[in-house]
Amino acid sequence: DAKTTQPNSMESNEEEPVHLPCNHSTISGTDYIHWYRQLPSQGPEYVIHGLTSNVNNRMASLAIAEDRKSSTLILHRATLRDAAVYYCILRLWSGGSNYKLTFGKGTLLTVNP
Amino acid sequence: NAGVTQTPKFQVLKTGQSMTLQCAQDMNHEYMSWYRQDPGMGLRLIHYSVGAGITDQGEVPNGYNVSRSTTEDFPLRLLSAAPSQTSVYFCASSRSGPGNTIYFGEGSWLTVV
Repeated sequence: DAKTTQPNSMESNEEEPVHLPCNHSTISGTDYIHWYRQLPSQGPEYVIHGLTSNVNNRMASLAIAEDRKSSTLILHRATLRDAAVYYCILRLWSGGSNYKLTFGKGTLLTVNP
Repeated sequence: NAGVTQTPKFQVLKTGQSMTLQCAQDMNHEYMSWYRQDPGMGLRLIHYSVGAGITDQGEVPNGYNVSRSTTEDFPLRLLSAAPSQTSVYFCASSRSGPGNTIYFGEGSWLTVV
């Protein structure tokens, strides 16, 4: 199964940009890169996803490397409400791997006021 | 839309008791799944379903049963609760296909004493 690697924790200051990295060296050409975050005592929530091109939405930007072996979630101006665990996962086309999603421990983002 | 609804939110069970965690979604999603999350850990897949009448095991299925008689509902049954099943349980749903967002419920906190 395709696997992702993320740093255990990162720290940022409020109103500064945050770049959260994710390595996925075994990614296949049709696998999507998804990012979710989990606030304390809540279920994970969707942040952004992409396939090949960089993606932007109201929450964040996703920068995907040209070889797709890594990606970076960019929070343009971190707020205290962005403090959460961020999960990078791959959602695959092939059979059951589309559904057997693997969530690692993610990256715990701390935002300092 | 209600999204993904889980009940109950909190439950205390005695060892050996059985119970059902309910999950319902109103988005007509084909894919539904159950995860458990232990303290400081990521989510681990228990069981999943790709449509009514179709279920399969995830990473940690032992001690749990599921069924999918309708598109909307995906209950998780604990047959004989054990302290090792003390955890937070999350239900999720999405349309099939790797480019689709996964929606999570708010979680069910289960304590087995």
